[in-house]
Amino acid sequence: EDQVTQSPEALRLQEGESSSLNCSYTVSGLRGLFWYRQDPGKGPEFLFTLYSAGEEKEKERLKATLTKKESFLHITAPKPEDSATYLCAVQEGNTDKLIFGTGTRLQVFP
Amino acid sequence: DTGVSQDPRHKITKRGQNVTFRCDPISEHNRLYWYRQTLGQGPEFLTYFQNEAQLEKSRLLSDRFSAERPKGSFSTLEIQRTEQGDSAMYLCASSTRTGWDYTFGSGTRLTVV
Repeated sequence: EDQVTQSPEALRLQEGESSSLNCSYTVSGLRGLFWYRQDPGKGPEFLFTLYSAGEEKEKERLKATLTKKESFLHITAPKPEDSATYLCAVQEGNTDKLIFGTGTRLQVFP
Repeated sequence: DTGVSQDPRHKITKRGQNVTFRCDPISEHNRLYWYRQTLGQGPEFLTYFQNEAQLEKSRLLSDRFSAERPKGSFSTLEIQRTEQGDSAMYLCASSTRTGWDYTFGSGTRLTVV
């Protein structure tokens, strides 16, 4: 059965303190791995899609990487406005549905 | 506004009542998805459409739930005889045929009292 596990569940960082969020997955035939940001009471906001092992994508202070078993979301010098829940999801080869992890709740303090 | 639009944003209903939610996808997206999210969890897939055809339904979609996309544009999700366990955020998303440009709406928060 396809599974997505995110760690840690919660992360508290000081402003400027870089860190990484982990997303481990098991899926038969990965079609894509998605990262979303979700603010309280709102829908997920698209960040990145990664398609194959070794791929990397960057956006402002965020960088996503992908291996055959896991993905990392690196946050460099975070700011308080980066506080949110970060969700990882996988898309299997023969379906369009996304399977989500439970997310990492990030809090960045000034 | 070119994003995914959902209406209403919030709905409070009494147990046993029927509710209907609407989703308007991005106009050039032919695929439309419904997800449900409870507190502290990631979204869970319910069903999806390609144009007006419903292609896949989750086991989570009991017979009290029905979704339609009659003209291949907007979609509705109806829940009959609501139960307290139906309380959740109902999210709609849309994409093009590649399925890679998944865009979510802001959701409809349902509270069953």
